[in-house]
Amino acid sequence: GAVVSQHPSRVICKSGTSVKIECRSLDFQATTMFWYRQFPKQSLMLMATSNEGSKATYEQGVEKDKFLINHASLTLSTLTVTSAHPEDSSFYICSARIGTSGGSETQYFGPGTRLLVL
Amino acid sequence: QKEVEQNSGPLSVPEGAIASLNCTYSDRVSQSFFWYRQYSGKSPELIMSIYSNGDKEDGRFTAQLNKASQYVSLLIRDSQPSDSATYLCAVNPNRRGYNKLIFGAGTRLAVHP
Repeated sequence: GAVVSQHPSRVICKSGTSVKIECRSLDFQATTMFWYRQFPKQSLMLMATSNEGSKATYEQGVEKDKFLINHASLTLSTLTVTSAHPEDSSFYICSARIGTSGGSETQYFGPGTRLLVL
Repeated sequence: QKEVEQNSGPLSVPEGAIASLNCTYSDRVSQSFFWYRQYSGKSPELIMSIYSNGDKEDGRFTAQLNKASQYVSLLIRDSQPSDSATYLCAVNPNRRGYNKLIFGAGTRLAVHP
């Protein structure tokens, strides 16, 4: 199956700092990647859709200036949590889509990044 | 009404039994359906995808889709303790301008020896 990696897997930072998370599709090209957030014992919450070469599309309630997304290549998308606060502590998971819409498209998830803001 | 609904569980089954996980969706025109497994503290892992009415089998897993009734299910035969996890149902409505997965809240499965 398709492999998606994330880096770092875990990060602890001080309040007010920025944290960058990388998401890479290792064996395929992904024109679209997605960023999710998951709080303990809750379901996945889609934050934004990242499209290669264009601006990300954010879900309602997600601050685009706080969660900066860059999809500079077909294999890399980055999420930067700016001026992180303790309430941003969560499990951030990216996914990459393979295939064509309306047909056999499938999303594969990265292993996730656990962020703890002190 | 939620777009994708699952019973949160936990669903408890004995080892060796068949576990049946169900999911209903609200958008009748949805075309793509997926089951993901998520172990505690890990990210979701794709188990099955299904696009046509009927059954699709892969090893111990069988996905069933009934578009007329708007439900999709996952059967796990010969359940093992290692199958204990949260199972997420995901639907892509494939609506014009909306090509994203909508996830259910997940059903927690507990397989006991």
